Amino acid sequence: DAGVIQSPRHEVTEMGQEVTLRCKPISGHNSLFWYRQTMMRGLELLIYFNNNVPIDDSGMPEDRFSAKMPNASFSTLKIQPSEPRDSAVYFCASTPTDRLGAFFGQGTRLTVV
Amino acid sequence: DAKTTQPTSMDCAEGRAANLPCNHSTISGNEYVYWYRQIHSQGPQYIIHGLKNNETNEMASLIITEDRKSSTLILPHATLRDTAVYYCSGTSYGKLTFGQGTILTVHP
Repeated sequence: DAGVIQSPRHEVTEMGQEVTLRCKPISGHNSLFWYRQTMMRGLELLIYFNNNVPIDDSGMPEDRFSAKMPNASFSTLKIQPSEPRDSAVYFCASTPTDRLGAFFGQGTRLTVV
Repeated sequence: DAKTTQPTSMDCAEGRAANLPCNHSTISGNEYVYWYRQIHSQGPQYIIHGLKNNETNEMASLIITEDRKSSTLILPHATLRDTAVYYCSGTSYGKLTFGQGTILTVHP
């Protein structure tokens, strides 16, 4: 298996633009997580899904952020409109059950100018 | 979710054992303790997890105190490639969150 695949790896966008980050979890994994990492705030859990259903989105910072998981093999994190303070590395992770370790993707480095 | 406390940084000599502590005094009975590490800007990497008993795998050993209020991750023979940020996390019902972690530096 190729692991958790995120795209794009790097994204530079202008303030106010819509940004969509994509994640393909490992086949057979039924939980998926989105994290944001910055120097100031560390690794923050934004939202996680179980069997494609959002379980906890309390970490989503604002209404500008939304996440979807239309099927077991794909998830998106959308920011609309983007702001410079959204600049961070965004990680996606998946796990086969809630009792096993999670596998992380390589992340998407987002820069909003 | 349990709040975890870890030292900010630690040093270890190459070839020696690295013992990384974590306090999780608020952990509840059904929360597992997970350890991950992050090297440079890569995604975190799962190391090991446990509930009550000590655990060992090819990467590390995990020692959990009997009251479950703290744990220690042991890297038996640290190498330069083990230099990373190490996170412990108390996790229940699948919600995996991270604290600030310990920066482990392994030096020659």
